[in-house]
Amino acid sequence: KAGVTQTPRYLIKTRGQQVTLSCSPISGHRSVSWYQQTPGQGLQFLFEYFSETQRNKGNFPGRFSGRQFSNSRSEMNVSTLELGDSALYLCASSYSSGRTYEQYFGPGTRLTVT
Amino acid sequence: TQLLEQSPQFLSIQEGENLTVYCNSSSVFSSLQWYRQEPGEGPVLLVTVVTGGEVKKLKRLTFQFGDARKDSSLHITAAQPGDTGLYLCAGAGGSYIPTFGRGTSLIVHP
Repeated sequence: KAGVTQTPRYLIKTRGQQVTLSCSPISGHRSVSWYQQTPGQGLQFLFEYFSETQRNKGNFPGRFSGRQFSNSRSEMNVSTLELGDSALYLCASSYSSGRTYEQYFGPGTRLTVT
Repeated sequence: TQLLEQSPQFLSIQEGENLTVYCNSSSVFSSLQWYRQEPGEGPVLLVTVVTGGEVKKLKRLTFQFGDARKDSSLHITAAQPGDTGLYLCAGAGGSYIPTFGRGTSLIVHP
């Protein structure tokens, strides 16, 4: 099976702009989660989508939003970018959110805001 | 909020040495995962432990889940340069939102 893919891998934006990141999960996986990773805060949960519905949400401002399509592909959008949004954005897919909750991560999108 | 504390934060050792990384919490988890992440890449799942007291081995890596399901350890025997990376533990509880530790950054020198 192909792994989780994320596009683009690298992105440079300026403050105030918006950005959309894309994630294609492993075939058959219906859950997609997004994380922000920074050296200072580690991995922080943004949100999870399951069958096109947002099921869980982390503690991030409304500038961060996402959606999931019927083929389980997901997009994440960040509006009005701030310098502090510079981070590695990771997408993870999972078959189900049962007891084990194993997640498979993509390579990430490195976002730099200048 | 469930918190996971990992220790040590950094570890720099020579090839062939043994090491243990710890993951501790005051919360009970239904399962706990260990991941390894290399620079510029996403974390790769190494193992999932579910049962209190469970021990799993993956070649030179030994993972243990505490009896109370609040803590876990990762032991590497005869470390190799290829083991270099950031080791992350993640616990899942009733909310199904996994909590990640800050990670242990391991460097194994040849």
